[in-house]
Amino acid sequence: EPEVTQTPSHQVTQMGQEVILRCVPISNHLYFYWYRQILGQKVEFLVSFYNNEISEKSEIFDDQFSVERPDGSNFTLKIRSTKLEDSAMYFCASSASPSSETQYFGPGTRLLVL
Amino acid sequence: KQEVTQIPAALSVPEGENLVLNCSFTDSAIYNLQWFRQDPGKGLTSLLLIQSSQREQTSGRLNASLDKSSGRSTLYIAASQPGDSATYLCAVFSGGYNKLIFGAGTRLAVHP
Repeated sequence: EPEVTQTPSHQVTQMGQEVILRCVPISNHLYFYWYRQILGQKVEFLVSFYNNEISEKSEIFDDQFSVERPDGSNFTLKIRSTKLEDSAMYFCASSASPSSETQYFGPGTRLLVL
Repeated sequence: KQEVTQIPAALSVPEGENLVLNCSFTDSAIYNLQWFRQDPGKGLTSLLLIQSSQREQTSGRLNASLDKSSGRSTLYIAASQPGDSATYLCAVFSGGYNKLIFGAGTRLAVHP
C-alpha cells in the first residue's frame, strides 16, 4: 500500500541552525501539507501546497519557514534559523483531493533544538 | 474560527467493552471529518473518513457517525482489545481553511 515517507526520523540541532525536513508524498497525490505537534499539544497546521505554490499557511509559518518541491517526488520543509520553540514532531501529509479524500500522514520527524 | 473538541480526554476500560469517543466542532461548514489513531511517539494512522454528505462509516470494529448540523461526530469501538490502546484524534476539513483542524484527542487504555 502506498505510504508517505519522511526523513530523517530524528534530528537534533543547535539553536540558529538551518534544518531541512524531507518528505516523499504518495505518488499520484497533488496536495501536500506540513503539520507539527509540540509534545503534549494538538496537531497544528503549518502550510498547504498545491500546483507548486503555497495555498494556505498558518501564523506559525513565518519567514523562517519555507517549503519546496524540488523534483517530482520530494517535498521539503526548511527552517532557516531554528528556535527552541521549534522543537516538535513534524508531519508531512498528502491527499489526492482534500475535500473528498483521506489525508495520509507520514511517520514524522522529531526535531529537537538545543 | 473552527475549533474541535474531544471528550473525554482520557478513558480506561476493561477488555471487551464497547465504547464511544466524542468529537464536536464549532463550524458546521465542513467537507469531511477524519478519525486518526496515534500511538505514543508515532505518526497518525487514518481510521475513517466521513464525507459531509454521509451519516456514518464503518471499518471492522469501528463505526463513526457524523451529525453535521449539530457539529458532532462519534467513534464507536466494539469489543475493545488491549491493542486498541492509543490516542484517537478527530480532525475536520473545512472548505474555507484548506487544512485539517485537529482536536486534542482521547487517550484510550484498554486493560486485560
